[in-house]
Amino acid sequence: EPEVTQTPSHQVTQMGQEVILRCVPISNHLYFYWYRQILGQKVEFLVSFYNNEISEKSEIFDDQFSVERPDGSNFTLKIRSTKLEDSAMYFCASRVSEQYFGPGTRLTVT
Amino acid sequence: GEDVEQSLFLSVREGDSSVINCTYTDSSSTYLYWYKQEPGAGLQLLTYIFSNMDMKQDQRLTVLLNKKDKHLSLRIADTQTGDSAIYFCAESNSGGYQKVTFGTGTKLQVIP
Repeated sequence: EPEVTQTPSHQVTQMGQEVILRCVPISNHLYFYWYRQILGQKVEFLVSFYNNEISEKSEIFDDQFSVERPDGSNFTLKIRSTKLEDSAMYFCASRVSEQYFGPGTRLTVT
Repeated sequence: GEDVEQSLFLSVREGDSSVINCTYTDSSSTYLYWYKQEPGAGLQLLTYIFSNMDMKQDQRLTVLLNKKDKHLSLRIADTQTGDSAIYFCAESNSGGYQKVTFGTGTKLQVIP
């Protein structure tokens, strides 16, 4: 069964460093998303991406964040200068109709 | 804005049925989802229901939707210890690009 994959599974970085989280959505999907889940909190929407551009973003998705689909398979989330409060589980999702989520990347900012 | 509410915790004995309840506020919800999250793992899509349906059954899982009351439930028949996890109710609507709004999650504990 096709699935969304994400790498790395765990990333540790120092405050102020840039990180890139990678996702490979399901191959025939057209809509792509990033969400995050701070430990013990709800899963929150960050951004949606369609037709090679951001279609919707939340208040969390400020100028420190960017997304890119550099080729036909990968979808990336970049955090330019990480803060302690960026520590969370980051989930990628994709869909044609219902949304499927990847296993997540746990980002730890120290 | 959209809001999804769930109780935080449910404990059942192995073999019993579990019923996890959820309420939502967005009357334009199109998809109503149940995701399962095991410790340290991702979000597994368990099942979903379209807003024009009342019920959906998939093996041990039964989803009931009361659109008038904006109430969604997930029944797990013959609950097993492997069903222990956090269950997230979630919704997305037909407007915009269908971002998913999640509830807080219900932690299901299955007692052997």
